[in-house]
This record gives sequence, C-alpha cells and structure tokens, in this order.
Amino acid sequence: NAGVMQNPRHLVRRRGQEARLRCSPMKGHSHVYWYRQLPEEGLKFMVYLQKENIIDESGMPKERFSAEFPKEGPSILRIQQVVRGDSAAYFCASSLNMNTEAFFGQGTRLTVV
Amino acid sequence: QKEVEQDPGPLSVPEGAIVSLNCTYSNSAFQYFMWYRQYSRKGPELLMYTYSSGNKEDGRFTAQVDKSSKYISLFIRDSQPSDSATYLCAMSEADSGAGSYQLTFGKGTKLSVIP
Repeated sequence: NAGVMQNPRHLVRRRGQEARLRCSPMKGHSHVYWYRQLPEEGLKFMVYLQKENIIDESGMPKERFSAEFPKEGPSILRIQQVVRGDSAAYFCASSLNMNTEAFFGQGTRLTVV
Repeated sequence: QKEVEQDPGPLSVPEGAIVSLNCTYSNSAFQYFMWYRQYSRKGPELLMYTYSSGNKEDGRFTAQVDKSSKYISLFIRDSQPSDSATYLCAMSEADSGAGSYQLTFGKGTKLSVIP
C-alpha cells in the first residue's frame, strides 16, 4: 500500500512562473492537508480539503495560492507568479477522517530563482 | 510570543544516553499533543500522541504533558544512532483528535546520536 505520494520532489521555478504541486493521498483517504515548511521555521497549516471541497483555507495566503482536490486525480496546490519568498518545502498529508492520524508525504521542495 | 516554542538544538548525545526534548506553548485550548520524527529530506512521521495531562509510554519513548505549566516532553531511553533526526512537537485544539487538521508545530529539535 503506497503512502502519500507527492510530485515532483524538487521543483525550480523562475520568479513570475507558476508552480503546480501534486499530492496523491493514501488509498481510501479522502481528507488532504497541505503544510508549508519555510527554512528555519516549523510546519505551517495552509489548507484542508475533502474531495471537491475546500474545508478550511485559513492558512493559505490570500493571493497567488489556490488548492483543489477533484473527484478524480490528485490534490493540486497551485502558486501563481512565484516569488523568492515562496521557496520552501510543501508537505501534503492525508487521513481517513479528520480525527485520525494523518500520514505525510515526502514533500516537494520548491526553489524560486 | 509564538504559540509553540521548541529549542532547535542541535542536540548531540552518545549512544545509550537518555534524551529529553521539550516544548512550551501559550494556547490554553490545545488538548492534543503529538511528537513527530522527521528524517532529513523526508516527511514527518507520528511517534506519539497524547490527550490532556499525563504520561504515555511506547517502547523506548515516553511522552509527558503538563497542562498546568503548558509544557510537554519526549524522553528517549537507550538512544540509538537511528534516532538521529529532527523531532517536532505539534498540538491541536479540542475536537481535532490525532488528525492533522490545523496542527500547530514547533520548529523542531535536531538530534544526533553518536555511536
């Protein structure tokens, strides 16, 4: 049973480009969470999604960032017009429901040059 | 004042030592307390999960919560080189359970266990 799969593992983008990060949850999991880990900082909650619904996006920057979890396919975190400050490790986690353990993926390391 | 404070270390101990890792917090609403282990370039994995005050033991690991002092600890007995990793404390408010919904993490303590 594969764990949470994130791709790409590493992503380099120039300032102003778009970054698309993908997350496939564990089999049977319909709850997905995105966290961001800035250098020298702890993990910060960004958004919580269930299939086709955004439940809580209170941790997501208001501009340039969006997330979706369609009925079919992986969850996508999209960052438009990236800036240097977006360079970070982005982790996705999934769980069976919101009160059970969530399992983290290995993360996508975004570097903006 | 940050919600969760954790000494980033690094902490270096000899193999076999007892390790003590700690976090303090300011939000009285936190009810669930977790410890995650994160190896370099990997995602966090849940080690221990406790609710409210008290101790919980799992093998060589003991998690301790003191809500009156807003202080949590993780003890590792008979530490091994394979324990070398970054340890993250995390907390959530009531009704969140062990899930990852709106966890608040500490910055992590980097631990090295020297053979």
